[in-house]
Amino acid sequence: DSGVTQTPKHLITATGQRVTLRCSPRSGDLSVYWYQQSLDQGLQFLIQYYNGEERAKGNILERFSAQQFPDLHSELNLSSLELGDSALYFCASSVATGASTQYFGPGTRLTVL
Amino acid sequence: AQKITQTQPGMFVQEKEAVTLDCTYDTSDPSYGLFWYKQPSSGEMIFLIYQGSYDQQNATEGRYSLNFQKARKSANLVISASQLGDSAMYFCAMRDYTGANSKLTFGKGITLSVRP
Repeated sequence: DSGVTQTPKHLITATGQRVTLRCSPRSGDLSVYWYQQSLDQGLQFLIQYYNGEERAKGNILERFSAQQFPDLHSELNLSSLELGDSALYFCASSVATGASTQYFGPGTRLTVL
Repeated sequence: AQKITQTQPGMFVQEKEAVTLDCTYDTSDPSYGLFWYKQPSSGEMIFLIYQGSYDQQNATEGRYSLNFQKARKSANLVISASQLGDSAMYFCAMRDYTGANSKLTFGKGITLSVRP
């Protein structure tokens, strides 16, 4: 158990819908990262937050957004869902940024029908 | 841009034997870190081992060791005394430290199957 929690574990929804994925980092970790794992794209970095502020953006679609709250938990919002958004979404956390090891949560498996 | 290459096809190893999983990387940054993660069939990503670009010695963590050859830009994972529970997908990843971006860049992964 990495100490990173993600809810829900599984999510099935329809095209055009909006969903929210939630992540709680390990105790004491200030950085939160979101990654998407799909069969065709592999593991892709989406976005990073550090202590409530956006730090870096990767291949995140405009239909996706995220935020980190004062209690350091983070949410990833996915809207206008398409079939291609079906993937495993991971949250990872680290103590700080830079050299810190990232520990991953169990992931949320999103299926868009 | 950073790139991680894992080109081995599915790997098979006999229980209790050692196995090496290959990883090569490309970066122009002088300061970076290399990581290996394990993803069993249940889906979670488990951190295994880390090697910094300036570390003088190869990293070791229990049965895992990292064969770091900087000049060849390779960071192979060695698993000693394989166990059935080692059957999983293994990902090599890299992060550079010269910018504010701490993202991990992953390879495509290698599937390891341990035979009893």
